[in-house]
Amino acid sequence: DVKVTQSSRYLVKRTGEKVFLECVQDMDHENMFWYRQDPGLGLRLIYFSYDVKMKEKGDIPEGYSVSREKKERFSLILESASTNQTSMYLCASSLPRGQPYGYTFGSGTRLTVV
Amino acid sequence: GESVGLHLPTLSVQEGDNSIINCAYSNSASDYFIWYKQESGKGPQFIIDIRSNMDKRQGQRVTVLLNKTVKHLSLQIAATQPGDSAVYFCAENGGSNYQLIWGAGTKLIIKP
Repeated sequence: DVKVTQSSRYLVKRTGEKVFLECVQDMDHENMFWYRQDPGLGLRLIYFSYDVKMKEKGDIPEGYSVSREKKERFSLILESASTNQTSMYLCASSLPRGQPYGYTFGSGTRLTVV
Repeated sequence: GESVGLHLPTLSVQEGDNSIINCAYSNSASDYFIWYKQESGKGPQFIIDIRSNMDKRQGQRVTVLLNKTVKHLSLQIAATQPGDSAVYFCAENGGSNYQLIWGAGTKLIIKP
């Protein structure tokens, strides 16, 4: 069964901490994405990557960075966590455009910053 | 701007009835559309997709209809069951090589 795995389901971090959210996919997908999901705001794209070591800003990249050193792993980094980054974070992967490329999502990480 | 929107944020349906969830899109360049289901505490799951060279596609108990003339997409769920309770998202590719444009979601509530 193909899978996108997010390392943590729940995290509680303190304001100012550096936070790493990890995502691993086993489908050999080229594209990977990080979204945050907040009530009433739907899915908002933070960053995406279409290849190893490549990254592109999404709609709300401020306060975040990403790393993609290997094809299967895409990490989201909160350089200095703030309370307004409390949210559900979703990782997804997909094949390149031109192939049946619906996203496969992980189960999400619910991050609380206190 | 480009957007995918839903007409109804919440839909209540009697168990056993058919459900219809609607979605409007605005990007004429979109040629691929997807419906996702998100159950509480889980990530979105793929339900069904459709390309712009089709106007209807059927899956198991689900049908997606695409009307390019009015830029409208709908998801029909036959004989709705309690397990269908979820938030449903439509998405379009907007001509992008990498990204999907997401609707805000519709919450489907099943009445016993």
